[in-house]
Amino acid sequence: AQRVTQPEKLLSVFKGAPVELKCNYSYSGSPELFWYVQYSRQRLQLLLRHISRESIKGFTADLNKGETSFHLKKPFAQEEDSAMYYCALNTGGFKTIFGAGTRLFVKA
Amino acid sequence: NAGVTQTPKFRILKIGQSMTLQCTQDMNHNYMYWYRQDPGMGLKLIYYSVGAGITDKGEVPNGYNVSRSTTEDFPLRLELAAPSQTSVYFCASKEGGGLLTEAFFGQGTRLTVV
Repeated sequence: AQRVTQPEKLLSVFKGAPVELKCNYSYSGSPELFWYVQYSRQRLQLLLRHISRESIKGFTADLNKGETSFHLKKPFAQEEDSAMYYCALNTGGFKTIFGAGTRLFVKA
Repeated sequence: NAGVTQTPKFRILKIGQSMTLQCTQDMNHNYMYWYRQDPGMGLKLIYYSVGAGITDKGEVPNGYNVSRSTTEDFPLRLELAAPSQTSVYFCASKEGGGLLTEAFFGQGTRLTVV
């Protein structure tokens, strides 16, 4: 079955602390994974995709096929990182499966 | 550059009423989607369309209908509203079906059925 699991509904960290948002997937094919973010009162938007191996706003995510994971990491959290984060899996071209989301709260 | 526009942003319906959630995009994207998001759940795909005149069911299509008469518009119709349809609805579009293409989202419609 195709599935994306984000085990944490809420993650609360202090400003300057490292943050890791977990994402595990289940997919028999070659996965294409994304992280989307939704800031307060804004629309859902792409944060980064695994194929680009990029760092966006200090966030990185590495695809680990052995552990079927795509965790999102940032070494030093900022208050403006507070948002809802969704891990997503593109399957078969047109279909995108989303995880339940993790709300990140960065405390001052 | 408007992107994906959804209307209305909020709506309260009574059980049994009907309504249409509007979605339009100005990016000339072929692929369009309707998702619903329930508390604590991921986005569930309701319907999708790969081009004008072509629509297909997603994971949770029951109680909904769609049409795609133009590339720009992809309205979602609720014929007989039920409390189980209380949710936040998101419309999205993609340029194509390629695995690497990102989805662009509307701001969502919060629907409450009472």
